[in-house]
Amino acid sequence: GAVVSQHPSRVICKSGTSVKIECRSLDFQATTMFWYRQFPKQSLMLMATSNEGSKATYEQGVEKDKFLINHASLTLSTLTVTSAHPEDSSFYICSARQGTLSYEQYFGPGTRLTVT
Amino acid sequence: AQTVTQSQPEMSVQEAETVTLSCTYDTSESDYYLFWYKQPPSRQMILVIRQEAYKQQNATENRFSVNFQKAAKSFSLKISDSQLGDAAMYFCALESQGAQKLVFGQGTRLTINP
Repeated sequence: GAVVSQHPSRVICKSGTSVKIECRSLDFQATTMFWYRQFPKQSLMLMATSNEGSKATYEQGVEKDKFLINHASLTLSTLTVTSAHPEDSSFYICSARQGTLSYEQYFGPGTRLTVT
Repeated sequence: AQTVTQSQPEMSVQEAETVTLSCTYDTSESDYYLFWYKQPPSRQMILVIRQEAYKQQNATENRFSVNFQKAAKSFSLKISDSQLGDAAMYFCALESQGAQKLVFGQGTRLTINP
C-alpha cells in the first residue's frame, strides 16, 4: 500500500512552453502533498505544500506564478511549470501524506524535466 | 529555523561490514521526528527508519539502527552486514510538529565494495 505515482517520468519541452506534472496517490487519500526539486548530486528542496481544496503554500524564493500547484482532489496534485526556461531543468519529486496525524510521507518516483 | 547537517559527502564500506552515517540537526521544538531515507540510482525515495524524539529507545529495522542522542542533537544510522543493494544516497531528515514539513540534510553517498 501507500503508492504514489508521477506522470510523466521524463519530459522534454521547448523554452517558453508550459509543462504539467501529475502526482497521484493510488491507494490512499492524501490530505497533503508536497513538491520538491532536486538538482544533480544535491538534496531535495521543498518547493511548496498543498492541501486539498486550498491554495498551496510556497517556500521562500519559489515563484508561485511560475510553478503553479493545484490539489483539486484527495488523490491528485499537479505542478505546472509555466514559460519554462533551461534553468528550470531539474528532477521534480512529489510526496503525499495520509491524514493529519501521520508524519510519514510517501514519495513518487520523480519526473525529469529537460527544457531545451 | 531548522537545519540538518550531514558532514560526510561520501562513505564506502566492504560488503558484510558495518558502516555508520552521521547526522546532526537543530530545532527549537520539542516534538519532532527524525528520518533516514535512501535514494538508490532509480531516485525513488525509500524510508529506511524513523525515530520519534520523545522515545528514548533507539529505533531498529533489521540491519538498520540509529543512535539517537537528543541532547547532542545527533542521529546517526548504522548499517550492519552491508549488502551491495545498500549502495545509494542516504538523506537524514527532520520534521517538527510546528513546521509540518521535512528538512533534508545534504546527503551521504554510500558505496559498497564487493
